[in-house]
Amino acid sequence: DAGVTQSPTHLIKTRGQQVTLRCSPKSGHDTVSWYQQALGQGPQFIFQYYEEEERQRGNFPDRFSGHQFPNYSSELNVNALLLGDSALYLCASSLVDSYEQYFGPGTRLTVT
Amino acid sequence: GDSVTQMEGPVTLSEEAFLTINCTYTATGYPSLFWYVQYPGEGLQLLLKATKADDKGSNKGFEATYRKETTSFHLEKGSVQVSDSAVYFCALSEGQSSASKIIFGSGTRLSIRP
Repeated sequence: DAGVTQSPTHLIKTRGQQVTLRCSPKSGHDTVSWYQQALGQGPQFIFQYYEEEERQRGNFPDRFSGHQFPNYSSELNVNALLLGDSALYLCASSLVDSYEQYFGPGTRLTVT
Repeated sequence: GDSVTQMEGPVTLSEEAFLTINCTYTATGYPSLFWYVQYPGEGLQLLLKATKADDKGSNKGFEATYRKETTSFHLEKGSVQVSDSAVYFCALSEGQSSASKIIFGSGTRLSIRP
């Protein structure tokens, strides 16, 4: 049983560019959450998707957007990249009626 | 808003020493509490959890008790091993029966000397 998978593993972008990160949830899970983990910090909640809609959102600007597909996989899009967007982006999946979230290995984004 | 405060690291111990990592929380409701661990080069893994006051979560020799009166969830292990070296995150979730955002502390890096 595959766990949560994310792609790509690493990514280098230039300030002002746009980026798309991808996540496939654990088999059977219907809810996907995204987190940003800056170096040396704990993860910060970005948003959560269920039934292809944004269910909850953290304190992140509109430059951060997402999508969930009918197969429950998800994308995180970041526009107009800033140097401060450099971080590890974590995807977590769960069932909508469970508090337990399973995390993927993350995508390391570097903005230069 | 809700928040989690945990003891700053790094923490360095000798093998077989006793471990305590302090964690306190602020929440308006009745959160679920977690400890996550992040081993070098790996993703976050749920170590243990507790969903109501006085619950004790335990796994791999680690324990933590949900103390509502002191709003604490301290992580303990009686005898640490080199393989326990990792970053530990205390966290809370506002939901108990539904998926909700998880609020993390800043993490405590633990290093165990042979």
